Amino acid sequence: SQTIHQWPATLVQPVGSPLSLECTVEGTSNPNLYWYRQAAGRGLQLLFYSVGIGQISSEVPQNLSASRPQDRQFILSSKKLLLSDSGFYLCAWSVRWRGGPGELFFGEGSRLTVL
Amino acid sequence: AQKITQTQPGMFVQEKEAVTLDCTYDTSDPSYGLFWYKQPSSGEMIFLIYQGSYDQQNATEGRYSLNFQKARKSANLVISASQLGDSAMYFCAMREGRNAGNMLTFGGGTRLMVKP
Repeated sequence: SQTIHQWPATLVQPVGSPLSLECTVEGTSNPNLYWYRQAAGRGLQLLFYSVGIGQISSEVPQNLSASRPQDRQFILSSKKLLLSDSGFYLCAWSVRWRGGPGELFFGEGSRLTVL
Repeated sequence: AQKITQTQPGMFVQEKEAVTLDCTYDTSDPSYGLFWYKQPSSGEMIFLIYQGSYDQQNATEGRYSLNFQKARKSANLVISASQLGDSAMYFCAMREGRNAGNMLTFGGGTRLMVKP
């Protein structure tokens, strides 16, 4: 069966420090991968998605970047965090859509607090 | 314009009763998919139910059903026989077209609270 893991689960970082959140998927090949951010009490905002190794699409201009060094690894990074980067970050995967639901499967989330 | 609108920030329901969570969407693409996810306080996102734009019948999954009214562009979630464990945030989401990225756009969510 497929599983998705992301870490760390909780992170408290000072403004201006770097960030690295990692996500890995097991039990599937060639998945689509996604990073979403959720502000407190709000919906999910798509930050990045990837349809293959080295292929990253950004949905919103921001202080963050993403990379996909391996087929089932997705990394969210920042060189210098801002207060506004605080939030709950969710990694997700889906199969390549060929009809049917093609639902997204989410990781456990990473809660980032920037102080 | 918002692509997914959930107008109920919070809802209360008595245990064992049914509840409807509203969702309206906006798209000009004839091919799209609609999803509902549940997010308990732990933060995980749990897929509940899916409705395709060409599906003739409303989707059902156990106690969950989706009231799909295409002309009104609404996709309300109905939870029958509410349980205390149904207390959570609920998100409606949409995939537009046959995009290779398969991205979902989410609404702002509705917090459901089940009273014993």
